[in-house]
Amino acid sequence: AQSVTQLDSHVSVSEGTPVLLRCNYSSSYSPSLFWYVQHPNKGLQLLLKYTSAATLVKGINGFEAEFKKSETSFHLTKPSAHMSDAAEYFCVGASGGYNKLIFGAGTRLAVHP
Amino acid sequence: DTGVSQDPRHKITKRGQNVTFRCDPISEHNRLYWYRQTLGQGPEFLTYFQNEAQLEKSRLLSDRFSAERPKGSFSTLEIQRTEQGDSAMYLCASSYKTQGTGMPTEAFFGQGTRLTVV
Repeated sequence: AQSVTQLDSHVSVSEGTPVLLRCNYSSSYSPSLFWYVQHPNKGLQLLLKYTSAATLVKGINGFEAEFKKSETSFHLTKPSAHMSDAAEYFCVGASGGYNKLIFGAGTRLAVHP
Repeated sequence: DTGVSQDPRHKITKRGQNVTFRCDPISEHNRLYWYRQTLGQGPEFLTYFQNEAQLEKSRLLSDRFSAERPKGSFSTLEIQRTEQGDSAMYLCASSYKTQGTGMPTEAFFGQGTRLTVV
């Protein structure tokens, strides 16, 4: 079975500085991995997904993530944070033949001026 | 708006009462999922449907919980004899899966129903 671990429960950055949200996964097979974002009072939104086609995955709003098999990591990055990026971010794996999503505990990103 | 909609958005109920939530998926999606999210945690899988068939249920789904998708369109999640531990956000998502192997399409989530049991 696949599982994901988000290494930071809270991350705080200044506007305009880089963002790094860390995620490690464990899987006995080639995983499917996703990053979702949850803004207050809004539904979960898919940022990007990895499905083995390319190790560097580009998503919406300038986010990208790199799949590193040697490190079993799938960290989310953005070169320059914007105030609107403040939200909860979830690293997510797929399990059971892609029949269900396995969410990490989440990382709350705060962006201050 | 043609996204996933959930009703109600908020529900406050007394312990021991029954509650029912509704989810309307994206119309062409044949898969429908229910998740539960408690404060400070990521969503946890509860169950999913392929059309009207309920194909998997989590151990989290006790016998007080029942989900239906009678015509393969909207779904309901009922909790009987609610307990304070049932207080959570209940999320619905939908996607499309063709026959055979391969991944379903991206799962789109509704805004959730926040349940508070007092």
